[in-house]
Amino acid sequence: AQSVSQHNHHVILSEAASLELGCNYSYGGTVNLFWYVQYPGQHLQLLLKYFSGDPLVKGIKGFEAEFIKSKFSFNLRKPSVQWSDTAEYFCAVSRSNTGKLIFGQGTTLQVKP
Amino acid sequence: EAGVTQFPSHSVIEKGQTVTLRCDPISGHDNLYWYRRVMGKEIKFLLHFVKESKQDESGMPNNRFLAERTGGTYSTLKVQPAELEDSGVYFCASSQDGGRHNEQFFGPGTRLTVL
Repeated sequence: AQSVSQHNHHVILSEAASLELGCNYSYGGTVNLFWYVQYPGQHLQLLLKYFSGDPLVKGIKGFEAEFIKSKFSFNLRKPSVQWSDTAEYFCAVSRSNTGKLIFGQGTTLQVKP
Repeated sequence: EAGVTQFPSHSVIEKGQTVTLRCDPISGHDNLYWYRRVMGKEIKFLLHFVKESKQDESGMPNNRFLAERTGGTYSTLKVQPAELEDSGVYFCASSQDGGRHNEQFFGPGTRLTVL
């Protein structure tokens, strides 16, 4: 079945550690890719998105993601995490004309101070 | 600018009862989406409105779910009768543009518990 897969369900890091969250999708053709974040008690908000052009996308709060078409991947990275990055992170794909998002299962990141 | 709002934030009902969830999109956003996250699973698309018209309702689980967007402003999602498996968090999102390139803004969600 066509889907979006996030490799890690729960990640625990210490402050200043580097972060990489994996995301793979199984759709062919043109896709748009997103990473959303949900901080504790807050609503989902967009971290970054890829539509076309430079496959290395920079988002808010120092996050970036790289689109590798050959690997059907869109991994999220941050060189040095902070305690305030503790949240749940969602990878999503849009490929239809309606713009509906297809989400991965989510990854909970816990950053220890 | 006010964001997407949802009401109520929490709802606890018994199996067989009816519940209506409301979503107010960002003013001027023609596109409105409903999603649901059942505990432990991914967020799943339910349906998409463009103004008052249903553009895509391929994710609606069954005919116990009825979504409306009269007048093209706020939307309601009614579950009647509710079943245990309907428990979860219902998210609403809105966007100015439709299609693959749209950026969706999400509301805080309504947590529905069916006992």
